Amino acid sequence: GAVVSQHPSRVICKSGTSVKIECRSLDFQATTMFWYRQFPKQSLMLMATSNEGSKATYEQGVEKDKFLINHASLTLSTLTVTSAHPEDSSFYICSARDRLEYEQYFGPGTRLTVT
Amino acid sequence: GQNIDQPTEMTATEGAIVQINCTYQTSGFNGLFWYQQHAGEAPTFLSYNVLDGLEEKGRFSSFLSRSKGYSYLLLKELQMKDSASYLCAVGDSNYQLIWGAGTKLIIKP
Repeated sequence: GAVVSQHPSRVICKSGTSVKIECRSLDFQATTMFWYRQFPKQSLMLMATSNEGSKATYEQGVEKDKFLINHASLTLSTLTVTSAHPEDSSFYICSARDRLEYEQYFGPGTRLTVT
Repeated sequence: GQNIDQPTEMTATEGAIVQINCTYQTSGFNGLFWYQQHAGEAPTFLSYNVLDGLEEKGRFSSFLSRSKGYSYLLLKELQMKDSASYLCAVGDSNYQLIWGAGTKLIIKP
C-alpha cells in the first residue's frame, strides 16, 4: 500500500518559536494533502486541504497566518506552526490522496509540545 | 448540515463479536470509510463501501445501506489488539471526508 511519512515524529519547542512539520508521500504522487489536528481523547479535526501548486484551503476557525501550509511538489507538503503557544500542543497528522484514488493515506503523526 | 453519528464507547469480550454502527447525513455521498486508530498513532484504513451490501475482509466486515444512511463495522473473534478507536468517515459531494467522532472499543479478557 501507499506510504506517507512525517518528520519529525516528536518535537518540543519553546513558546514563541516556529516549528515545521514535513509530510511526504513515498511511493505515489499526492495531488491532495490534508492536515489534521487531534487533541487527547478527541477525534480528528481537519485543519486544511492543500492541492499541489495551489494555496491551501483552511477550515473555519483555523488561522492561515499561524499555520502555514506549503505543497510545492507532488510528494511534499509542509505545515509550519508560527509563534507557537502551549495551546498549540497537539498531535498533528497529515494524509495524502492520489488523484486516481479516493482513499486517504495517513502519516504516522507528529506530537508537538510547546513549553 | 453534515452529521456523522457513532457510539462514543463500546466494550466487548475477547473472542466475541462486536458491531459498531454509524449513521450519516451528508451533502452528497461518495463512499464510506472505516479507519482504526490506536492511541497515540495515526489512523489506518480498514474498509471502503460505495455500494449497498456487506464487504468481508478477514475478521472485519463492513456493511452499507445508502437508503438508510447507515453503516456498520463488524469485528469477529475479537483480540486484545483490537482495542482502539474506530472512525467512520463519509466522502461528500466535494470528495472531502467528513469524520465521525470515533468509537472507542474496549476489549476485556
